[in-house]
Amino acid sequence: DQQVKQNSPSLSVQEGRISILNCDYTNSMFDYFLWYKKYPAEGPTFLISISSIKDKNEDGRFTVFLNKSAKHLSLHIVPSQPGDSAVYFCAASEWDSGGGADGLTFGKGTHLIIQP
Amino acid sequence: NAGVTQTPKFQVLKTGQSMTLQCAQDMNHNSMYWYRQDPGMGLRLIYYSASEGTTDKGEVPNGYNVSRLNKREFSLRLESAAPSQTSVYFCASSEHRVGETQYFGPGTRLLVL
Repeated sequence: DQQVKQNSPSLSVQEGRISILNCDYTNSMFDYFLWYKKYPAEGPTFLISISSIKDKNEDGRFTVFLNKSAKHLSLHIVPSQPGDSAVYFCAASEWDSGGGADGLTFGKGTHLIIQP
Repeated sequence: NAGVTQTPKFQVLKTGQSMTLQCAQDMNHNSMYWYRQDPGMGLRLIYYSASEGTTDKGEVPNGYNVSRLNKREFSLRLESAAPSQTSVYFCASSEHRVGETQYFGPGTRLLVL
């Protein structure tokens, strides 16, 4: 049972336009969400995160939106640049009642292609 | 400051052979993790170590063992490699606690024949 879902395996966007990557989750106990960017043959690189107490977090060209009622988050990249072409992973964690968590749960990723 | 380093970068094993994947971080982080990534899949947690001296199973621990050697180093061992363990393995660390932002190494590509 996949708890974090990225339903678009790939997304093509023109340079300079907005890229919107979507992520859905099923576990209502998740309280921290992250986006990672991954280039081929490299490890994932942390991009931006959001706590469940917020609905928006912005960092430069990157904004993450969280809709808890819909169990949905999205990453907006404005404007999109050629270097943004990569695989983007959505991830989530749950801080359980025992005071611990057991790592991040990842989606399968969306391959973003920025076209000139 | 190298961040998270992993050795080797690439390894080919025959079925039944054993090997240890090494991971080290120089960020003084408390928690460390091992993930595997298979084609078309997200990263799946194999084992993690919340702090020095502790280890716990993740989503896919079967066929693996880990050792948190000290605060810096966290190794992953395959005792008897199987073709199903062909994958890319990533080590990660986080500063204070499990579940917060993690920083990843470059990965080890393992092929089991």
